[in-house]
Amino acid sequence: AQSVAQPEDQVNVAEGNPLTVKCTYSVSGNPYLFWYVQYPNRGLQFLLKYITGDNLVKGSYGFEAEFNKSQTSFHLKKPSALVSDSALYFCAVRPYTGTASKLTFGTGTRLQVTL
Amino acid sequence: NAGVMQNPRHLVRRRGQEARLRCSPMKGHSHVYWYRQLPEEGLKFMVYLQKENIIDESGMPKERFSAEFPKEGPSILRIQQVVRGDSAAYFCASSPQRLADFTDTQYFGPGTRLTVL
Repeated sequence: AQSVAQPEDQVNVAEGNPLTVKCTYSVSGNPYLFWYVQYPNRGLQFLLKYITGDNLVKGSYGFEAEFNKSQTSFHLKKPSALVSDSALYFCAVRPYTGTASKLTFGTGTRLQVTL
Repeated sequence: NAGVMQNPRHLVRRRGQEARLRCSPMKGHSHVYWYRQLPEEGLKFMVYLQKENIIDESGMPKERFSAEFPKEGPSILRIQQVVRGDSAAYFCASSPQRLADFTDTQYFGPGTRLTVL
């Protein structure tokens, strides 16, 4: 069975500073990894995904994520945070093999960006 | 291109009533997934459907919950005899039909927030 861990419930960053939201995963075989963002009382918006190839994936709104197979991590990063980035961020994984298409989500990390 | 649509956005039911949640996938998408989000928790998979078929219902409670995705019309998640523990946000996601392709991105709707009194 696959699982995702987001070790930080909340991350606080000053606007303009770089941000990192951590994610580690466990899955049989190769993973497909995703990041989604959720604003209050809204659905999840897709940010980016890792399928194969370059370990650094670029996504929407200036976000990127780095896949590290040896550390089974897929941390979300942004060079310069904005107050408008404040939201709830979810990491998710799907297995590479089999017919399972469901996403397994982490518990989420709340990002708070302050002036 | 409209996104995934869910209605109602908010639903209030009394214990013992039935709740029906609807999801219309994005145009061109024939795969639908339902997830439940309890307060302060992540999303938990419930069921995965294609048109007229349930593909994976491993996350569905054994009783009171059912889902369908008919040939015509939206996907329906039905909860019979609701209890307070059913109060949650229910999200639907859709992805395009690509055979044997597990890389499809799932796009989420705005959710239905169910409150059971």
